[in-house]
Amino acid sequence: QSVLTQPPSTSETPGQSVTISCSGSSSNIEKNTVNWFQQFPGTAPNLIIYRNDQRPSGVPDRFSASKSGSSASLAISGLQSEDEADYYCAAWDDTLNAVLFGGGTKLTVL
Amino acid sequence: EVQLAESGGGLVQPGGSLRLSCVASGFTFSSHWMHWIRQAPGKGLVWVARIEKDGRTINYADSVKGRFTISRDNAQNTVYLQMDSVRAEDTAVYYCARVVLGSRNAFDFWGRGTLVTVSS
Repeated sequence: QSVLTQPPSTSETPGQSVTISCSGSSSNIEKNTVNWFQQFPGTAPNLIIYRNDQRPSGVPDRFSASKSGSSASLAISGLQSEDEADYYCAAWDDTLNAVLFGGGTKLTVL
Repeated sequence: EVQLAESGGGLVQPGGSLRLSCVASGFTFSSHWMHWIRQAPGKGLVWVARIEKDGRTINYADSVKGRFTISRDNAQNTVYLQMDSVRAEDTAVYYCARVVLGSRNAFDFWGRGTLVTVSS
């Protein structure tokens, strides 16, 4: 049921910036807000972006996100080793009446 | 402090049943939609089900529709997931999660998860 598409992996060196894309359709991302989650191995995910571009308290402003049409993206600037994690986008789908997650992107900080 | 604590996972045979529980504390449970989300070993997050604040609206992923039942007891601050006719592909860590007020899928608090293994 996962119809949000993310790249499986990406990598960058410390201090640089990286962008993770999330592609959906008119029934999900285009009409509804996108949320982003960060997950470290063996732990539950953490909400890092909600309502397309809002950061919960405690999330560094190095994390930002945007949405355009049926796609969204998460940007991380000034990469740090502790940013190495899996990142997931999620949106509600009006046709399926379900929450869709992207397949996840594994970020490696080289 | 907001806390969600899942329990009830374990080993179950294909075709069997299991009931997961998630006890909430530190917030007004009856004000929040609650969801179950699962993650198979080494795989991504998959949404399972959600239940409205008063239990009137319920939605399921197609993969569990007709087999799983979500329910809640606001007096006990608990959300449940009854899993029937389980299959090998239901093997996963099951998380319960709270949704930010006014959002449909901004899960701001998650439990630690409970592992369900379906195997003979």
